[in-house]
Amino acid sequence: GQNIDQPTEMTATEGAIVQINCTYQTSGFNGLFWYQQHAGEAPTFLSYNVLDGLEEKGRFSSFLSRSKGYSYLLLKELQMKDSASYLCPRTGYALNFGKGTSLLVTP
Amino acid sequence: GAVVSQHPSRVICKSGTSVKIECRSLDFQATTMFWYRQFPKQSLMLMATSNEGSKATYEQGVEKDKFLINHASLTLSTLTVTSAHPEDSSFYICSARTHDTDTQYFGPGTRLTVL
Repeated sequence: GQNIDQPTEMTATEGAIVQINCTYQTSGFNGLFWYQQHAGEAPTFLSYNVLDGLEEKGRFSSFLSRSKGYSYLLLKELQMKDSASYLCPRTGYALNFGKGTSLLVTP
Repeated sequence: GAVVSQHPSRVICKSGTSVKIECRSLDFQATTMFWYRQFPKQSLMLMATSNEGSKATYEQGVEKDKFLINHASLTLSTLTVTSAHPEDSSFYICSARTHDTDTQYFGPGTRLTVL
């Protein structure tokens, strides 16, 4: 299986920086996604990492270490609207989403 | 780019009726479309995968005769929930991808309530 492991919940303050970690089983790995899902809505695509390193997209950055089976999503200058679940499925025939990490941003 | 639409966004129906949900890729050709279901506070669960022009592949435990999937063109897939029951009430979400990428783009979802 893909065995994705993420923290269940995180809380952070508006304006701060938060890092959401994700570990996964490395066998048969091709790439890892990050999706954001607000309550009651469908997921939206954030990033796709195939190579090691950090990729930055505005306030969001995603990091991948293939040898360690580890990724993180870094959110800077947190806003209230960033309160959502963050999912890190691995590539495969279909994506295994898991429950993701529920992030709560407080004032 | 990579916009996926779903229709309807919300539907309420009586038990025993059938409901059809459409999923369209608006600005790209989707060789593969996926149908997911999500119950409150649960993770997305893949129901089936459909490739254009061929039969859908259903996940274990999903009744193919109850959840009919058609992917007749590169921009349209439909999910029909036949003889719907209250336990079918859920959030149904489709996603689509092209043949040359693993990235799935999601539709906005359809909230089904069966009375």
